[in-house]
Amino acid sequence: EAQVTQNPRYLITVTGKKLTVTCSQNMNHEYMSWYRQDPGLGLRQIYYSMNVEVTDKGDVPEGYKVSRKEKRNFPLILESPSPNQTSLYFCASSLLTGTGYNSPLHFGNGTRLTVT
Amino acid sequence: KQEVTQIPAALSVPEGENLVLNCSFTDSAIYNLQWFRQDPGKGLTSLLLIQSSQREQTSGRLNASLDKSSGRSTLYIAASQPGDSATYLCAVRRSGSARQLTFGSGTQLTVLP
Repeated sequence: EAQVTQNPRYLITVTGKKLTVTCSQNMNHEYMSWYRQDPGLGLRQIYYSMNVEVTDKGDVPEGYKVSRKEKRNFPLILESPSPNQTSLYFCASSLLTGTGYNSPLHFGNGTRLTVT
Repeated sequence: KQEVTQIPAALSVPEGENLVLNCSFTDSAIYNLQWFRQDPGKGLTSLLLIQSSQREQTSGRLNASLDKSSGRSTLYIAASQPGDSATYLCAVRRSGSARQLTFGSGTQLTVLP
């Protein structure tokens, strides 16, 4: 089954304790992206990647890191989480080759992060 | 900077009614526009994607239109069903910066049986 898999689904942590949220897709998609969703603010893009070893900042990259060492994986790293990073996080992917950006975006089921 | 607005934030209709959801954007130089559905506790599911050269797209009971000059898109849902209850979001890819996607805040739709 074609899917984007995020882990964990729920995470509670304390301020300053490094964490990683994993994202993996099995559709051979070039484009991958991370978003956070907050009430009243909608979905905002954190980082995106157009292919292996190619990453770039979105609208709200502060406090986050990403890496794209393999095409299928795009982990989100919070080196020193703070309470304002409490949010619902989504990973997404889509094709680029042959379609440009005219390919639907596929989303994972989300990771709800709470930082105390 | 592109801004995407969806009004109303919430909508409740009786089953069987035809309805229209609205999405407006401030910069008409767009690459494409997508409509998504989000169910509680789930990720977003892509419903329709309209390229900048297209005026509309249809899938089953759904029809999405795009008017770049006025900065508007609508999602028409025919013969609504309780299973259509969800939050509907639109997202715009801007020309020249097509790598990034800007989302609206969504319209929460409830279809009453």
